[in-house]
Amino acid sequence: GENVEQHPSTLSVQEGDSAVIKCTYSDSASNYFPWYKQELGKGPQLIIDIRSNVGEKKDQRIAVTLNKTAKHFSLHITETQPEDSAVYFCAAGKNTGGFKTIFGAGTRLFVKA
Amino acid sequence: NAGVMQNPRHLVRRRGQEARLRCSPMKGHSHVYWYRQLPEEGLKFMVYLQKENIIDESGMPKERFSAEFPKEGPSILRIQQVVRGDSAAYFCASSPAVISYNSPLHFGNGTRLTVT
Repeated sequence: GENVEQHPSTLSVQEGDSAVIKCTYSDSASNYFPWYKQELGKGPQLIIDIRSNVGEKKDQRIAVTLNKTAKHFSLHITETQPEDSAVYFCAAGKNTGGFKTIFGAGTRLFVKA
Repeated sequence: NAGVMQNPRHLVRRRGQEARLRCSPMKGHSHVYWYRQLPEEGLKFMVYLQKENIIDESGMPKERFSAEFPKEGPSILRIQQVVRGDSAAYFCASSPAVISYNSPLHFGNGTRLTVT
């Protein structure tokens, strides 16, 4: 069945360092890969996404890469700040008349000041 | 433009009671998705609906759970005869009617259900 695996489950970095979160997906029909940030007591918020026809995308301190052959995609956060501390979810979606999106289990990122 | 609105934010039910969770999608959105999040876990897909139509309910438990999205009014996730294992945060998301690559899911802030 459809599955998205995410690693690591917890990540602790020093302020200013980079953080990398990796995901793999099982459904080769997936063509949309969003990343969400969830803060305590709130719903997930989209921070960046990438489509299957693109290998890399960058938005300020955040970048995502996609390897469709290997079914891998990654989130890179550079120059981390304490406010980056949150839970991050990767997801894989495909157009089935709506975007059914399967989420990874999440990575809890701690940025130490 | 208001975001996805869920209510109530917190809901406490005793075992055996019914829980009704409501979700109003963003203006202009006609697809609604429900996800469940257990403590310290990820988001598990439950169901997605268009107005008056269930598109995919492959993540819904076979018993006690149902969802609807009527022509008028919010989407409702209904859990009958709740058990302690139903305690979780339930998130609703919406997307536009015209699916394109610019239509990611927009989430509400969830309903936290506690079954005592």
